[in-house]
Formats: sequence, structure tokens, C-alpha cells
Amino acid sequence: NAGVTQTPKFRVLKTGQSMTLLCAQDMNHEYMYWYRQDPGMGLRLIHYSVGEGTTAKGEVPDGYNVSRLKKQNFLLGLESAAPSQTSVYFCASTKTDTNNEQFFGPGTRLTVL
Amino acid sequence: AQSVTQLDSQVPVFEEAPVELRCNYSSSVSVYLFWYVQYPNQGLQLLLKYLSGSTLVESINGFEAEFNKSQTSFHLRKPSVHISDTAEYFCAVSDLGWGGSYIPTFGRGTSLIVHP
Repeated sequence: NAGVTQTPKFRVLKTGQSMTLLCAQDMNHEYMYWYRQDPGMGLRLIHYSVGEGTTAKGEVPDGYNVSRLKKQNFLLGLESAAPSQTSVYFCASTKTDTNNEQFFGPGTRLTVL
Repeated sequence: AQSVTQLDSQVPVFEEAPVELRCNYSSSVSVYLFWYVQYPNQGLQLLLKYLSGSTLVESINGFEAEFNKSQTSFHLRKPSVHISDTAEYFCAVSDLGWGGSYIPTFGRGTSLIVHP
């Protein structure tokens, strides 16, 4: 099992450009999450999904969109990147929310110039 | 909304000394508690968790944490640290969100720095 994978690992964007981050899991997990990690801020939840075809907003959803067309994939989109979106993005998944142990991907380091 | 406070942003300690990383949370109604560890340039991985039962939980590498409901705390301890324990540690609390799902809230993290 590969667990949770994220692509790309690094990306540099110019302000206003768009991009999509891909998260894939091979554990048949129902729940998937996107976080951003900034120095001194811990992890903040952007969006999450409780199953295929469903998404919900987290703590900091503005400027991001997500889609969960397939159970194993969770996409995070930036339509018009801003320097404030420079961050490390982590995807995570859990089998159910009952015990909610999360499995994390290795992260995507995004810089917006 | 749940809030998680990790009282120390950085904890320096010498090798083989004991350490405690503190975590407090705001709401005590039906919560699940976790500690995650993040090594440099990696994702987070579960260290230990409290779901129910005994309030003292242990990890395979010598860490332990105690759930204290009255003080809404879940402090992480290790009696003797190693250089390899140098990492960022995150406390996380899951409680029932508005959508009917358990949503985790993370603390800001504590950087444990073990000196030789």
C-alpha cells in the first residue's frame, strides 16, 4: 500500500495563476481532508469530504475549491493564487470518523510569488 | 468551536532527561484525543490516541499521555528522551461538528529539541 500520496511535491506559482493539487489514497477510506500548515499556526482545515461526491468547508476555505469525484481522490484547487496561499499543504484520510486516526500524505510545498 | 492550546512553542531538553509537552482543549463533551509527530520535511504520523477506557495511553517508543477530563488536558510525557525524538509534536482533539461528523482541531505544535 502506498498510503496517502500527494502530487506535486513542490510548486511555484505567480499571483493569479491557477493549479490543482491531487491527493490519492489506496486504503478505501471514506473521509479525506485538506490542511495548510504555516509556521506557528499548526494545521488548519481547508475543506474535507465525508464520502465520494461530498465536500464541506473547514476553518479556512476561502480561495480554495475541492472535488471528490472518486472515493480514492481528493483534489484541491486554487483558481487565482495569492501570496497569502504560500504554505505547505497536507492531505489526510481516515476510514471513518469514529476513531478518526488520520493518515497523512508527505505534503506539497507551494510558493506564490 | 473547539480550541486546542499547546502551551509551549519550543521545548529544549538534554538527552536522557524527562520531558512534558502540554496540551489543553476547550470542550470536554465526547472528544477523542491524539498526539501526532512530524519529523522534518515529512507528514504527520500518529503517536498515540485516547478514545475511551484507561486515561493513560502509551506509544511503542516510550511516550505516554494522560487524559484529564476535569482539567481538559492531554499532556504528553517521556521519562528519558533521545536525540531521535527531536521533532514537532501536535495535539489534536476531535469532537462532533455541525455536520454530524467528528472533525479534528490541531494545536499550533511544540518543537521538541533534544540536545546531546
